[in-house]
Amino acid sequence: DQQVKQNSPSLSVQEGRISILNCDYTNSMFDYFLWYKKYPAEGPTFLISISSIKDKNEDGRFTVFLNKSAKHLSLHIVPSQPGDSAVYFCAATRGINQAGTALIFGKGTTLSVSS
Amino acid sequence: DVKVTQSSRYLVKRTGEKVFLECVQDMDHENMFWYRQDPGLGLRLIYFSYDVKMKEKGDIPEGYSVSREKKERFSLILESASTNQTSMYLCASSSRDTLRETQYFGPGTRLLVL
Repeated sequence: DQQVKQNSPSLSVQEGRISILNCDYTNSMFDYFLWYKKYPAEGPTFLISISSIKDKNEDGRFTVFLNKSAKHLSLHIVPSQPGDSAVYFCAATRGINQAGTALIFGKGTTLSVSS
Repeated sequence: DVKVTQSSRYLVKRTGEKVFLECVQDMDHENMFWYRQDPGLGLRLIYFSYDVKMKEKGDIPEGYSVSREKKERFSLILESASTNQTSMYLCASSSRDTLRETQYFGPGTRLLVL
């Protein structure tokens, strides 16, 4: 059972426009969400996160929105740039024990930004 | 900057071989993780460790084992490699000090089992 879902495998956007990547989750116990970006042949890099006590977090061109009632979050990239072309993973934390947590990842969305 | 390194970027092994994948982090992180990434399946957690000599099974531990003898090093072991273990393997680490741990990933090891 997939707890974190990214239903769009791919997204194509023109340079300068807005990119919106979506993510849904099913487990109401998740209370912290992250977005990672991954280029081919590299490990994922942390992009932005949001706690469930917030509904928005912004960092430069990247904004994450959280709608807890809908169990939905989205990543907005404005303006999109060709260098943003990558696979974007949505992730959520689940409590394993007091010492550490593990992330549940979605399957990823491949963003292509054309110039 | 956090640095997570993995011993090999590319590895080719034969079915039945014992395979060791090494991961080292230099940020004194308590938590370390092993994932595999497959097309259409995203990142799946194999094992993780929150302290030296401690380990916990993730979502897909079958066919794998791990070792954490030192805080900075977390090894993934394929006891008898099989073709369905051909994948990209990613190591990550995180600190327990922050309110919420952000995981930092290594560059990955692409393993091909023939």
